Amino acid sequence: KAGVTQTPRYLIKTRGQQVTLSCSPISGHRSVSWYQQTPGQGLQFLFEYFSETQRNKGNFPGRFSGRQFSNSRSEMNVSTLELGDSALYLCASSSGTSGGGETQYFGPGTRLLVL
Amino acid sequence: QQQVKQSPQSLIVQKGGISIINCAYENTAFDYFPWYQQFPGKGPALLIAIRPDVSEKKEGRFTISFNKSAKQFSLHIMDSQPGDSATYFCAADSGYQLIWGAGTKLIIKP
Repeated sequence: KAGVTQTPRYLIKTRGQQVTLSCSPISGHRSVSWYQQTPGQGLQFLFEYFSETQRNKGNFPGRFSGRQFSNSRSEMNVSTLELGDSALYLCASSSGTSGGGETQYFGPGTRLLVL
Repeated sequence: QQQVKQSPQSLIVQKGGISIINCAYENTAFDYFPWYQQFPGKGPALLIAIRPDVSEKKEGRFTISFNKSAKQFSLHIMDSQPGDSATYFCAADSGYQLIWGAGTKLIIKP
């Protein structure tokens, strides 16, 4: 089975711009979660999508949004970029049907640098 | 109540030694505790996990010890090898989402 893929792998943007990141989950997985990883902060949960619906949401401002398509692929959008948005953005997929206790399979991440 | 506190932030261990990473939680609703391992340039990958109905789980050189009354759990890496050098994250699952520790950067010195 192919793993979780994320595109692009690296991205440089300037303040005020917007960015869209893409994630393709493992075939058959219906849950996609997004995380922001920064040094010293660990993984901060952004949101989770399951069957095209946002099922859970972390404590991030409304500038961070996402969506999921019928093929389970997901996109994450950040509008009005700030310097503090520079981070590694990770996507993880799981079947999403167990109500917890599932292994999350991570992609390699998209490294975003905001100048 | 949703926090998972992980320590130490970084750890250096000699090859062949025992690496120990600790985590503590507050929310008794958590019912699944995984450890993930992350190498540079890669996403985290599940290493080992435990549920609160057992006090210990061992897989090869990796062992989770779980103390339900103290709300603490730890990862022990026996006979640590240079290939174990990575960042380790503990997490707690409430059934809705994973709450992550801040991570421990482990370096195994040859």
